[in-house]
Amino acid sequence: DTEVTQTPKHLVMGMTNKKSLKCEQHMGHRAMYWYKQKAKKPPELMFVYSYEKLSINESVPSRFSPECPNSSLLNLHLHALQPEDSALYLCASSQERGDSRSSYNSPLHFGNGTRLTVT
Amino acid sequence: RKEVEQDPGPFNVPEGATVAFNCTYSNSASQSFFWYRQDCRKEPKLLMSVYSSGNEDGRFTAQLNRASQYISLLIRDSKLSDSATYLCVVNTGFQKLVFGTGTRLLVSP
Repeated sequence: DTEVTQTPKHLVMGMTNKKSLKCEQHMGHRAMYWYKQKAKKPPELMFVYSYEKLSINESVPSRFSPECPNSSLLNLHLHALQPEDSALYLCASSQERGDSRSSYNSPLHFGNGTRLTVT
Repeated sequence: RKEVEQDPGPFNVPEGATVAFNCTYSNSASQSFFWYRQDCRKEPKLLMSVYSSGNEDGRFTAQLNRASQYISLLIRDSKLSDSATYLCVVNTGFQKLVFGTGTRLLVSP
């Protein structure tokens, strides 16, 4: 069983809808991530939060809006998405190691993902 | 050049075979390396971290070659259940963990 929980498992939304993806972890990890994965492609990094602050935004369109309400929760707010945004959205967490001068990372622990379809 | 590259395969091997995959990375400052396994329509699961001196976990052996900037994964005595996509993950900056394209392995009876 995964220790990172994502809800919902599946989501179908229209292009004018607003929805949110949720992610929760109780491993005490202080880094949380959103990845997007299209079929037959590897996961692509979208956002990283470190100690509840946004530390990396990989030039993601503003129709995706991340939020980290506390150290255990990570949300991804969706608005005015396009059909090409349909994908598996994966949340991950990792132990925070070092600081920005360090290039060591702990491994990522993934949730089961949310399979999003935009119609 | 992509930051992290893998041969997409598929690698078709019989049960009991030994198979090896490589993963090349472009950032010489990278320090963190991992192998993940992903089954169809599932999330990636950590298989093993890769340490400088190389490390082994049962039938799986991981190696790091800093000079040539690649990591490798060796699977001995392949099982049917090893069929999956194997993804290498490399940090290309602080907290920036990038996936390789993945290598698909098919183990047949």
